[in-house]
Parts: sequence; C-alpha cells; structure tokens
Amino acid sequence: GIQVEQSPPDLILQEGANSTLRCNFSDSVNNLQWFHQNPWGQLINLFYIPSGTKQNGRLSATTVATERYSLLYISSSQTTDSGVYFCAVVPSGTASKLTFGTGTRLQVTL
Amino acid sequence: KAGVTQTPRYLIKTRGQQVTLSCSPISGHRSVSWYQQTPGQGLQFLFEYFSETQRNKGNFPGRFSGRQFSNSRSEMNVSTLELGDSALYLCASSLDVGAGIQYFGAGTRLSVL
Repeated sequence: GIQVEQSPPDLILQEGANSTLRCNFSDSVNNLQWFHQNPWGQLINLFYIPSGTKQNGRLSATTVATERYSLLYISSSQTTDSGVYFCAVVPSGTASKLTFGTGTRLQVTL
Repeated sequence: KAGVTQTPRYLIKTRGQQVTLSCSPISGHRSVSWYQQTPGQGLQFLFEYFSETQRNKGNFPGRFSGRQFSNSRSEMNVSTLELGDSALYLCASSLDVGAGIQYFGAGTRLSVL
C-alpha cells in the first residue's frame, strides 16, 4: 500500500518562529488533507490540498503532486499551535480510505 | 451546521465484554468511515459505509464490525474485547464515497481493563 512519511517527527519552537512540515507519499493521490490533532484527540481540518497552494491565515500549504510531497507552513507560531500535525492521503483509484502519516509533534514555547 | 458527533466520549470496559460506539455524520453527508488510533500503530482505517453498505474494510479481525442506518448514522461494535483494543476511535464523514474532504468527530476513548 501507499507509504506516507512525515518530517520532522518532533519540533520545538519559540513563539513567533516559523516552521515547515513535510509529507512525502509513495504513489499518486486524489486526496491529501492536513490535520491538527488537539490535546483532546480531535482531528481539525487544516487543508484539503491534493495539488496546488492554499493559505489560511498564518497557515499555508503546498502540494506538488508530480513529485509526491506536500508542505505545511506555519508562520508566527503561537502556543495554541502546539499538538500533532498529520498528513493523510487517499491513493488514486481507491475510495475514501485515508492513509495517515506518523505525524509531526509540535511544541511552541513562550 | 452541526459537526460529526460521536458518543460516548469515554468508555471503560473489561476484557471479554463487547462495546458499541455511535457516530452521527454531518447533515447531508452519506459516507461514514471509522479509524482506530493507538500509540503503537498510529491512525488506521477500520471500515467505510455508504448507503447502508460497507464499501471498504481495513485489516482488522472480525471482532470489529459496523453498520449504517438509513439516516446515515453509523455504529461500530467490538466483541470479545482485548487489552489491545484500548484506543481512540474516530469517525469521519464525507459527502460521498471518494468525494473530497473528510471531517472527523471528537472520538471515543475506549479503555479495556
């Protein structure tokens, strides 16, 4: 099956710093989503981005489908950005089954 | 519009018991998927339902089952609970099978003692 790798696994930032999270996938996809898992476990949708670039406030994401990777940018990080960020994909030609990466655990300190 | 609702939020069971978890999708969404999250295995797909039919199944034993009702609400059942079934169970809904964004509920945290 498709492999999804995220890097770095852990990241510690000071408030105000910028960061880039990466997601590599091993096959073509027709769905790619970025999520933020809050401390209570809920997965919050950040972006649906099978290709192209999107921005939402301090967050932006880019997926280069032909090269099989996606990047999540967090600018001017805040303590509320702490948590685990997951990339999840649906391989082309399949239904809705999301395959998740192992996540990037982000800690933003004062 | 209300989000995906999962009940109960927390459950404690003992080995050998069975458990039923419930998921109400976003209004108008017809596809419901279930995922298990554990520290060791991460997030893994259990199954997907659409129009009361299971459309896709992950690599889990037959003790894990589910169903979907005509109003798109879904339940999943785990029989003969094992310690390793302790996990966060997450439900996601989407408009259609293979159609775009999946939205997740807050999850049910199951502890098996």
